[in-house]
Amino acid sequence: QQQVKQSPQSLIVQKGGIPIINCAYENTAFDYFPWYQQFPGKGPALLIAIRPDVSEKKEGRFTISFNKSAKQFSLHIMDSQPGDSATYFCAARPGGNQGGKLIFGQGTELSVKP
Amino acid sequence: GAVVSQHPSWVICKSGTSVKIECRSLDFQATTMFWYRQFPKQSLMLMATSNEGSKATYEQGVEKDKFLINHASLTLSTLTVTSAHPEDSSFYICSATGISYEQYFGPGTRLTVT
Repeated sequence: QQQVKQSPQSLIVQKGGIPIINCAYENTAFDYFPWYQQFPGKGPALLIAIRPDVSEKKEGRFTISFNKSAKQFSLHIMDSQPGDSATYFCAARPGGNQGGKLIFGQGTELSVKP
Repeated sequence: GAVVSQHPSWVICKSGTSVKIECRSLDFQATTMFWYRQFPKQSLMLMATSNEGSKATYEQGVEKDKFLINHASLTLSTLTVTSAHPEDSSFYICSATGISYEQYFGPGTRLTVT
């Protein structure tokens, strides 16, 4: 099953809060899980990514938690700021000979209130 | 990070005409490039995968004769929307990968067909 299910669809937090966005997958052959941030009218920008042999990765205020047995992974944004207001997409890369394409989640629209 | 450019950033064309969109990797050699379309408030939909010097691989449901992809060099891929119609109006985004897993996106091209 080549799907990635992302939730919630939208999220509103206060400045300084810690929004958490969750993704779930079925295909155990996925071998790479990136998160992208997209502002309106712009292309997605790679934020942070993780491989399934690691349970957590942190880069600045962004942390990915990865639960291989549950086939779930999540993005945490520490000390969120109004400038973090954007749409976030999780993705997964099918392993094997699939040309490196990514399967994207449905997206989460985050709004950080001042 | 790696930089991918797209040109034009927006284009308006009349129904029945063709439009070409360029995607360039500026500071790395892109072994593979991808073309996506995105409708408002929706996720990215992969249209096709292209490798330098070979024919593009189209996703199911994407008309290869309508969306012509050429990957002429390791830094340039083009998407031509032939005989465009209003329903082809969308946000088209390319991405590129080099020797690593990371997929870097261009800024997107807004196509409006009148």
